[in-house]
Amino acid sequence: GAVVSQHPSRVICKSGTSVKIECRSLDFQATTMFWYRQFPKQSLMLMATSNEGSKATYEQGVEKDKFLINHASLTLSTLTVTSAHPEDSSFYICSAKDISGYNEQFFGPGTRLTVL
Amino acid sequence: ILNVEQSPQSLHVQEGDSTNFTCSFPSSNFYALHWYRWETAKSPEALFVMTLNGDEKKKGRISATLNTKEGYSYLYIKGSQPEDSATYLCAFGKGDYKLSFGAGTTVTVRA
Repeated sequence: GAVVSQHPSRVICKSGTSVKIECRSLDFQATTMFWYRQFPKQSLMLMATSNEGSKATYEQGVEKDKFLINHASLTLSTLTVTSAHPEDSSFYICSAKDISGYNEQFFGPGTRLTVL
Repeated sequence: ILNVEQSPQSLHVQEGDSTNFTCSFPSSNFYALHWYRWETAKSPEALFVMTLNGDEKKKGRISATLNTKEGYSYLYIKGSQPEDSATYLCAFGKGDYKLSFGAGTTVTVRA
């Protein structure tokens, strides 16, 4: 149980295009999902908290118009990197908190984004 | 940004040997300390969630201790096996469920 999928696992795009990443909880409901970014040799950095049915809350320094988050159902959150630039190239990973769980978060396998 | 530090950054262990490594975190506003095991190309796997000072948790050959007053946690691997090779992440949690991660300790077990 507690499986989170993420799609795509890897994407290469041209500068200026937008990329959508999906995060799904496969066998549980998640009212809250989190999006993280990891640069090489650094720790996972929280970008935003995604709440089902309401607007996402963004961490300081994260542009909400650049990283659009939608959490339309209890099992799906999407992150869209708009007008991507090479500096957006990174590893993006999501986690989901079980609606009934105590404090645990379950992670997807991540998405490697490369912007040319 | 909360300062969560893990040391060492990496370590190499001979198969059968035991090892341990550290996570240090702020001792104020503590809610929970998480340990994850992360193998390449897979999802981070939750190992432990620890909330009480003095907590000790065990899962097979892996165990962890928690000292919230001084702000550190140890993860121990007893009798390391090649399948224990992974990056081990710790994360400090506040009551809002947001996690602040350390950069991880990468363990390589040599056969």
